[in-house]
Amino acid sequence: SYVLTQPPSVSVAPGKTARITCGGNNIGSKSVHWYQQKPGQAPVLVIYYDSDRPSGIPERFSGSNSGNTATLTISRVEAGDEADYYCQVWDSSSDHQGVFGGGTKLTVL
Amino acid sequence: QVQLVQSGAEVKKPGASVKVSCKASGYTFTSYGISWVRQAPGQGLEWMGWISAYNGNTNYAQKLQGRVTMTTDTSTSTAYMELRSLRSDDTAVYYCAREVGQLGSEWFDPWGQGTLVTVSS
Repeated sequence: SYVLTQPPSVSVAPGKTARITCGGNNIGSKSVHWYQQKPGQAPVLVIYYDSDRPSGIPERFSGSNSGNTATLTISRVEAGDEADYYCQVWDSSSDHQGVFGGGTKLTVL
Repeated sequence: QVQLVQSGAEVKKPGASVKVSCKASGYTFTSYGISWVRQAPGQGLEWMGWISAYNGNTNYAQKLQGRVTMTTDTSTSTAYMELRSLRSDDTAVYYCAREVGQLGSEWFDPWGQGTLVTVSS
């Protein structure tokens, strides 16, 4: 089965740039989606198709995907960005199974 | 606006079954699939499976095959997820989410508010 690897935690000071990675074998050939989850809340889509932003998501959120790593970048980080972030793909080699990364806790210092 | 509203929290004994509902509004129900995702306490997200609201086709996570059944009622725009033979490690918040996007590359948006299922003797 396909495995997505995320760092458990990332810390960043307010106003700086946070980068959250999502590693997978040849992930660049897949479409990667990203979700933000705050404590006690349902996940919210922040990036789809590697780098597209849904309406209502600030331009500070961006994404890229190449080779074996996809990256979610949050510029000018704010306290309200503190949350868990998950990447997601589909594993077409295993009867189209959904796959999530383990999640990354973003801490704003 | 597009919204998914789930049924309330459940407490079940080991070996029992649970059925969670997810009522959709604000869009044409049969035009999108619904995925179910669960999250054990303090853990990450786990995809459970998908159902087409158009024709009822399903695809379940391999580890849940045989214990999970997903259905829809198009007359009420409601999706259901039933999990049988419950174990303590099935304790989790269960989410439904609408699938959007090109076939094979779908994302989940929006999500329901979640339903806590507690399995305890």
